[in-house]
Amino acid sequence: AQKITQTQPGMFVQEKEAVTLDCTYDTSDQSYGLFWYKQPSSGEMIFLIYQGSYDEQNATEGRYSLNFQKARKSANLVISASQLGDSAMYFCAMREGGYNKLIFGAGTRLAVHP
Amino acid sequence: DTGVSQNPRHKITKRGQNVTFRCDPISEHNRLYWYRQTLGQGPEFLTYFQNEAQLEKSRLLSDRFSAERPKGSFSTLEIQRTEQGDSAMYLCASSHRDESYEQYFGPGTRLTVT
Repeated sequence: AQKITQTQPGMFVQEKEAVTLDCTYDTSDQSYGLFWYKQPSSGEMIFLIYQGSYDEQNATEGRYSLNFQKARKSANLVISASQLGDSAMYFCAMREGGYNKLIFGAGTRLAVHP
Repeated sequence: DTGVSQNPRHKITKRGQNVTFRCDPISEHNRLYWYRQTLGQGPEFLTYFQNEAQLEKSRLLSDRFSAERPKGSFSTLEIQRTEQGDSAMYLCASSHRDESYEQYFGPGTRLTVT
């Protein structure tokens, strides 16, 4: 069965610093995709970045980049130049099966300090 | 494009009562997903619709739960004879089959069973 592991329940970062949120995954599929979502205290899930298993380059979206290490089965999220508005829960997820349902990790709560 | 909407945003009910939630996906999105998120956890997949057909259901979806998507537009999720363990955030997401794998989430319905 597919599984997502996020080992950091909480992380702190100083404003304007970079932070890395860890995610490891387990799958026997050759074709898969990895996502990061942000969930502010208001509750909505906001898509941040996507990496396909066959993508040779790491995905980037503005201040977000995904450090994809296929052999280690890791897909860490890097946020550069942290902002106070980045304080939220962050979830790593994997799409599973032909219908692309998402399997989520337990999340990491990020607090950005001024 | 108004995004995914969910109603109600909050629902408080007594144990044993029935509740129904509604999800309106982004127009022209033919894929619709329901997830459940309990406190401190990531969302868990409940069920998936492609147009009006319910193609996959999680084992989490007991026989007290039923979901429909008549005419392939909005979807409803009904919980019969609610239990305190049903208290959670119920999230709806939609995506377009022919576009990226990104799922767009609604704001969720928070259910509290007393």
